[in-house]
Amino acid sequence: DTEVTQTPKHLVMGMTNKKSLKCEQHMGHRAMYWYKQKAKKPPELMFVYSYEKLSINESVPSRFSPECPNSSLLNLHLHALQPEDSALYLCASSQGEVPLRTDTQYFGPGTRLTVL
Amino acid sequence: TQLLEQSPQFLSIQEGENLTVYCNSSSVFSSLQWYRQEPGEGPVLLVTVVTGGEVKKLKRLTFQFGDARKDSSLHITAAQPGDTGLYLCAGDITQGGSEKLVFGKGMKLTVNP
Repeated sequence: DTEVTQTPKHLVMGMTNKKSLKCEQHMGHRAMYWYKQKAKKPPELMFVYSYEKLSINESVPSRFSPECPNSSLLNLHLHALQPEDSALYLCASSQGEVPLRTDTQYFGPGTRLTVL
Repeated sequence: TQLLEQSPQFLSIQEGENLTVYCNSSSVFSSLQWYRQEPGEGPVLLVTVVTGGEVKKLKRLTFQFGDARKDSSLHITAAQPGDTGLYLCAGDITQGGSEKLVFGKGMKLTVNP
């Protein structure tokens, strides 16, 4: 099973809303990632969690707040977003062997976010 | 500065034709991955290449990792309309003491029936 699931598939929110994106994997992977992808662009890394600890934050604005409750789940909490934050948000996971090494990453289907 | 350069960026061909897409860099990668992505969906892993000079085949797709591990190519034989999509190469680098995956801009392929 190489499946990463993401919910919701689509999300429309206003600039004053608070919402959360969810990601789940049951492959026993210990590294999980959030990426942002704008139309016709490649994915851009936002956050990396390794063994449930935040290891990389690519200078992402604080209106995006990641959370890793356990090794299978990864959330992205959204608050006071801007219209330019509209994008496809992708979650990925990898084995994440120690020392941290980029293994093959498996991506979820993404959440299409629209900020009005 | 784009770490991974993909070429061509766009390609529209007829069913049955062959094509090759390239992924080049001046950096050395310990591994390189190829993904295919359809609109509104997440990238789907096609292959990971690790050893310099390695060749991997996946049905009509042939992947090659350069001897110096700085470049890779994807060759598709007898393309089908189902091959249409965005092909992304990605390589792992160490930046600021952390390792992460960086993507090329992708090659948008359209195969016309």
